[in-house]
Amino acid sequence: AQSVTQLGSHVSVSEGALVLLRCNYSSSVPPYLFWYVQYPNQGLQLLLKYTTGATLVKGINGFEAEFKKSETSFHLTKPSAHMSDAAEYFCAVRGNNAGNMLTFGGGTRLMVKP
Amino acid sequence: NAGVTQTPKFQVLKTGQSMTLQCAQDMNHEYMSWYRQDPGMGLRLIHYSVGAGITDQGEVPNGYNVSRSTTEDFPLRLLSAAPSQTSVYFCATGTPGNTIYFGEGSWLTVV
Repeated sequence: AQSVTQLGSHVSVSEGALVLLRCNYSSSVPPYLFWYVQYPNQGLQLLLKYTTGATLVKGINGFEAEFKKSETSFHLTKPSAHMSDAAEYFCAVRGNNAGNMLTFGGGTRLMVKP
Repeated sequence: NAGVTQTPKFQVLKTGQSMTLQCAQDMNHEYMSWYRQDPGMGLRLIHYSVGAGITDQGEVPNGYNVSRSTTEDFPLRLLSAAPSQTSVYFCATGTPGNTIYFGEGSWLTVV
């Protein structure tokens, strides 16, 4: 079975500061890992994903995440926060069931202060 | 999220009423699924389908039915709505090993 833990349901940063959103996972198979972003009253948009290969993954809007197997982590970072980054972020791991369904963390709401 | 269409976007139901949330996709994806989103709990899988005629239960299936008669459509039926089913519902589609795409969501309130 898979599980995902996102540390911190709310994170607040100042505009221009580093963004770090934490995600730890457990998986009985080699994990496929995802970060999604959700803006208010909208659906989920894929930010980036790790499947195999390079452990540092770059996504849209300047975000990146590093897969660390030894730490079972997949933290999301962005060097400089922008006001438009304010949203809710979800980490997810793909399951090994027939439909490869995703298991999500509880989400982290990112607030960006001017 | 072009390609995954959910209707309705907003719905208010009375306890005990039934309704169907519609999901349609035009990407010829094999996999379709329904999730519900509740504060602090992320998204939880309700039901999923790996192809027409095949469905299976997810983490929170009670109170919901699904069917998959065509590749394109995957409706979610609430049999007798309860306040605990107040949530945001997302339909998702994908193909084996590839990215999953989400619809825009359906906001459901049961009073």
